[in-house]
Amino acid sequence: DIQMTQSPSSLSASVGDRVTITCRASQNINNRVNWYQQKPGKAPQLLIYDASTLHSGVPSRISGSGSGTDFTLIISSLQPEDFATYYCQQTYYTLWSFGQGTNVEIK
Amino acid sequence: EVQLVESGGGLVKPGGSLRLSCVASGLAFSNVWMSWVRQAPGKGLEWVGRIKRKVDGEQTDFAAPVKGRITISRDDSKNTLYLQMDSLKTEDTAVYFCATGYSNGYEYWGQGALVTVSS
Repeated sequence: DIQMTQSPSSLSASVGDRVTITCRASQNINNRVNWYQQKPGKAPQLLIYDASTLHSGVPSRISGSGSGTDFTLIISSLQPEDFATYYCQQTYYTLWSFGQGTNVEIK
Repeated sequence: EVQLVESGGGLVKPGGSLRLSCVASGLAFSNVWMSWVRQAPGKGLEWVGRIKRKVDGEQTDFAAPVKGRITISRDDSKNTLYLQMDSLKTEDTAVYFCATGYSNGYEYWGQGALVTVSS
């Protein structure tokens, strides 16, 4: 099975900060990575698919990059509505899998 | 507007069975792969399994922790996805989401159904 390792597990940041979350796959997954945002008590929401394609309606301050085994989600200027938990997901191999999540908290 | 609505959650004893349903509206249900994702209380997302389209043979794939204990099926005439769970364990306690999308990634999610496995 493919392991997806996110770092950090949590971070504290202020409004306006640049935030970077990384996701490392245990094997090459080409560009088949998606990123989600989840707020407490809600279903996740798709942010990025295929590593770097912004899903419809997602603000441009959010971006994704990477290929192979290393991937990055960047929020260029953190806004109040961005405080949430973020997950990466690989869809390259038959059995899909998620990273363990990164909790972005208010500093 | 696309809607996915799960039902069938509840309390079940260890070793018991439960079937969840997910009714879809507003999308071409027969044209999409459908998945189940779960989230244990206070934990992260866990991919459970997936069923492909009829044209893909309705192939199913399951995560290791549930393989052999769950079945995923679909009824395209009813726009409904099913998750049959047998031999339930306490560690299967979670909110179960159905999810899908037209492109890579889950752009549509249900609201989730809580399954509690406890004696």
